[in-house]
Amino acid sequence: EAGVTQFPSHSVIEKGQTVTLRCDPISGHDNLYWYRRVMGKEIKFLLHFVKESKQDESGMPNNRFLAERTGGTYSTLKVQPAELEDSGVYFCASSQGLTVYYGYTFGSGTRLTVV
Amino acid sequence: AQSVTQLDSHVSVSEGTPVLLRCNYSSSYSPSLFWYVQHPNKGLQLLLKYTSAATLVKGINGFEAEFKKSETSFHLTKPSAHMSDAAEYFCVVTRTGGGNKLTFGTGTQLKVEL
Repeated sequence: EAGVTQFPSHSVIEKGQTVTLRCDPISGHDNLYWYRRVMGKEIKFLLHFVKESKQDESGMPNNRFLAERTGGTYSTLKVQPAELEDSGVYFCASSQGLTVYYGYTFGSGTRLTVV
Repeated sequence: AQSVTQLDSHVSVSEGTPVLLRCNYSSSYSPSLFWYVQHPNKGLQLLLKYTSAATLVKGINGFEAEFKKSETSFHLTKPSAHMSDAAEYFCVVTRTGGGNKLTFGTGTQLKVEL
């Protein structure tokens, strides 16, 4: 089966610009998650979709971040306007069911650099 | 609340020697614990998981980990390192039976030398 696909793999943008990251989960996986790793720090949870609904968005840093999952398939994460501290690697993951039994399948990540 | 501490940010071993990556956790709930590995330019791959069954967990590529509640530890071991094991390893905790949010450690970079 195809894995979790993220694109772009790299993005370099200027402060104040807008960037949209995309994640295509494994077909049939209702659960989709976004995580982020800022340089030198641990990977942190951003939010969780179940189908098209936001189940938990407690990790979203501020209202410059907007995540969508229209139709319950792929998801986008938009950063507008981007700030320097948004630089990092953004991971997407999907899961069939509860993490503890199924685990996540992660994508390769999008490396975002804001200059 | 839950947290994970990976005690070493970098570990270097010789090929063919044992690997030990250390992880301590803290959790207000009954924890489930995982080890993930990330090779360069690849996604995070699940190595193994503990979900309140057997305390000694075997994973892929010869790795195993032992859940020790009394020590709040979940160290990752492998008897003999291979060059292909060079990667970054993450210890992860979540709440068993509910909630899907993972809490990651800061990662341990494993270097394997000839």
